[in-house]
Amino acid sequence: GAVVSQHPSWVICKSGTSVKIECRSLDFQATTMFWYRQFPKQSLMLMATSNEGSKATYEQGVEKDKFLINHASLTLSTLTVTSAHPEDSSFYICSARDSRAYNYGYTFGSGTRLTVV
Amino acid sequence: DQQVKQNSPSLSVQEGRISILNCDYTNSMFDYFLWYKKYPAEGPTFLISISSIKDKNEDGRFTVFLNKSAKHLSLHIVPSQPGDSAVYFCAASPNTGNQFYFGTGTSLTVIP
Repeated sequence: GAVVSQHPSWVICKSGTSVKIECRSLDFQATTMFWYRQFPKQSLMLMATSNEGSKATYEQGVEKDKFLINHASLTLSTLTVTSAHPEDSSFYICSARDSRAYNYGYTFGSGTRLTVV
Repeated sequence: DQQVKQNSPSLSVQEGRISILNCDYTNSMFDYFLWYKKYPAEGPTFLISISSIKDKNEDGRFTVFLNKSAKHLSLHIVPSQPGDSAVYFCAASPNTGNQFYFGTGTSLTVIP
């Protein structure tokens, strides 16, 4: 089945630095990928829709200059958290759609635990 | 504004019994619904889906029911097994896009 690889699985960074998270579709091409964020004991919140070859679409309230998304190829989307602060500490998850799949095809990565100290 | 709600944060069920997880939504434009299972520090895993043209979809031990008039869906797991213990999220998508909106999750514990 469709596999989405997310890297790194966890990262600790200093406040003020930037962190890049990669999301790859391993056995299918994804023109669209999605980035979610989950706070402890809360729902997955859609942050942005990443479109291959064009600008990402951000949900209301998400700072596009802080959460930079690049979808340069059909198998890779990256989320860069710029000038990270402790309040950015969270669990970030990407998903991608395999249009060949019967179940509407949304597969999730394993997530990235970001801790900003 | 939480458009998809799961009002029960946790549920405990005896092994072999039925688990019923509920989900309510407010946006009448939602026309596709999914249930995901999630273990801590992992990404969600797809379980089962249903489109608005159906009111029931079954896959093995998992059955999803959709009541469009009530804007309510439920996931039935029968018989429940200890390995089913996880957090379950329902998600909904409007017919205008591909993004999904998630509920807050229900933590299911199946007691052996």
